[in-house]
Amino acid sequence: RKEVEQDPGPFNVPEGATVAFNCTYSNSASQSFFWYRQDCRKEPKLLMSVYSSGNEDGRFTAQLNRASQYISLLIRDSKLSDSATYLCAVNIMGSYKLIFGSGTRLLVRP
Amino acid sequence: SQTIHQWPATLVQPVGSPLSLECTVEGTSNPNLYWYRQAAGRGLQLLFYSVGIGQISSEVPQNLSASRPQDRQFILSSKKLLLSDSGFYLCAWSSTFMNTEAFFGQGTRLTVV
Repeated sequence: RKEVEQDPGPFNVPEGATVAFNCTYSNSASQSFFWYRQDCRKEPKLLMSVYSSGNEDGRFTAQLNRASQYISLLIRDSKLSDSATYLCAVNIMGSYKLIFGSGTRLLVRP
Repeated sequence: SQTIHQWPATLVQPVGSPLSLECTVEGTSNPNLYWYRQAAGRGLQLLFYSVGIGQISSEVPQNLSASRPQDRQFILSSKKLLLSDSGFYLCAWSSTFMNTEAFFGQGTRLTVV
């Protein structure tokens, strides 16, 4: 089983839609969680960290469910510019390793 | 502010040739450094990470090696490239503390022919 798993998508949504992605992790000692955005043929860029109580940054909301071992990313009012691949990343407690999921591709259509 | 430089941006190398990719970080001390590889249409595979000069942890047995000769320099090498070494190689850094986010260089797209 992969340490971090994501639905590869693509999620094809119209502008203005709300879309949500989940990311599951297998190691219960996972400590820190992040969402990254990767545009085609570019490096991943940090979108937001995920805090235990959930956090919001504009149209983006991230949540953590430790009991079920997943994190989620909700995007409201999707824009064409949100089209990208969204990668989740997990740190294991006591480790310097940052493990990534394979990413979920989002396509926002006019 | 911190910046990370990675070069070259693209590279085409014949099978059996050596490889050296370099990554440097500016604006921070004692960063954690990482090499990842991303195959076409796939996720990021952690290859190596380093928490200090000369300290290298290898995640996947393979045809590659890494070195950290200076605090803010991380090098990925191979003596003889294989076709399967093709991919998008990304260097990243994070702060010296555990459980922090990482920031990526612009990556090197390597094609082995």
